[in-house]
Amino acid sequence: GENVEQHPSTLSVQEGDSAVIKCTYSDSASNYFPWYKQELGKGPQLIIDIRSNVGEKKDQRIAVTLNKTAKHFSLHITETQPEDSAVYFCAASQEGQNFVFGPGTRLSVLP
Amino acid sequence: NAGVTQTPKFQVLKTGQSMTLQCAQDMNHNSMYWYRQDPGMGLRLIYYSASEGTTDKGEVPNGYNVSRLNKREFSLRLESAAPSQTSVYFCASSEAGGPGLAGYGEQFFGPGTRLTVL
Repeated sequence: GENVEQHPSTLSVQEGDSAVIKCTYSDSASNYFPWYKQELGKGPQLIIDIRSNVGEKKDQRIAVTLNKTAKHFSLHITETQPEDSAVYFCAASQEGQNFVFGPGTRLSVLP
Repeated sequence: NAGVTQTPKFQVLKTGQSMTLQCAQDMNHNSMYWYRQDPGMGLRLIYYSASEGTTDKGEVPNGYNVSRLNKREFSLRLESAAPSQTSVYFCASSEAGGPGLAGYGEQFFGPGTRLTVL
């Protein structure tokens, strides 16, 4: 079955700097890769997703890149702000299948 | 719209006690899910319901049962709680994507239930 690894487990950046979180997956059939943000005391919320027919997707300060050959995808957050502090989860899936989530990355944006 | 709601928010049980976690969604989604979240392990699927009247096991179903009461409600029952079931439980729903569904889509999560089993 699918296995998703995520690094780093914790990340601290200065406000205004960029943050990068990387995930690797094992099943080459996976073709949908969402990223969820979980704020303290809340449930995860989708922030961006990418399908395997594209290599990069951007939405304002966040972007996701996908390397199908290497089986890894990354979340990039530019110009970080205190409200970006949260736990971020990546996931891998294919149509009709369960989401397999990574273990999460706790991002702290320091003022 | 309230989205996905869960009750209770917190619960403490003794080993062997039973309880039911309630979940409801008002987005008219066909699919609903129960996950557990443990430190360093991400979200793991316990059970899911691809449509009203159907339920299926996920990755970690042992010790749990579910009921899809109607299209809105999906409950999770612990018949005899064990300390290993101490976790944060999340209910989610989706219209597309996920097991048994066509397409790709967002899962909408509730606020979670923090359960401690002593």
